[in-house]
Amino acid sequence: DVKVTQSSRYLVKRTGEKVFLECVQDMDHENMFWYRQDPGLGLRLIYFSYDVKMKEKGDIPEGYSVSREKKERFSLILESASTNQTSMYLCASSQGAELYNEQFFGPGTRLTVL
Amino acid sequence: GQNIDQPTEMTATEGAIVQINCTYQTSGFNGLFWYQQHAGEAPTFLSYNVLDGLEEKGRFSSFLSRSKGYSYLLLKELQMKDSASYLCAVLDSNYQLIWGAGTKLIIKP
Repeated sequence: DVKVTQSSRYLVKRTGEKVFLECVQDMDHENMFWYRQDPGLGLRLIYFSYDVKMKEKGDIPEGYSVSREKKERFSLILESASTNQTSMYLCASSQGAELYNEQFFGPGTRLTVL
Repeated sequence: GQNIDQPTEMTATEGAIVQINCTYQTSGFNGLFWYQQHAGEAPTFLSYNVLDGLEEKGRFSSFLSRSKGYSYLLLKELQMKDSASYLCAVLDSNYQLIWGAGTKLIIKP
């Protein structure tokens, strides 16, 4: 059974803190994605990676960075958390070079920044 | 700009049929996805359409008209477990996924 896991379901942080969100997939997928999901808005892509050590900016990369040192792990970093980064963060992965392949999502991390 | 439109919320009765519409204006088109997302859970893949027409998968069917920039998801024999949000997403000419805000479907007994 395919699986994408995220390190935390709920996280509460203070403004200015450095925040790490971890995502691991066990499907040997090449592509991994970080989205945020906010009420009334579609999923918005923050960053994606199509190979180890490779990363591409999505639609809203400001205030975020990513790391992909191993194929199965994709980390999202908030260098200095701000209240407008309070959101649900979803990680996803997909197979191969074909970006029309379905994405498999993790359960999400609901981050609150106070 | 790129835009995906879906109704915010729909209500239907158990055992009935419901159609969830999605219209899109994007720079190019490389396919349209439908995902289901139960409250507090991960989105899960339902369908992918790249050619015009209807594709049926059990109780769920998805239709695409590229000339009209339009798709719908048809759910038959509704069950209570079908209560969820349904997300429409279009793959544009750069192979970027553009997501709609989702349609919350409420099923009543």
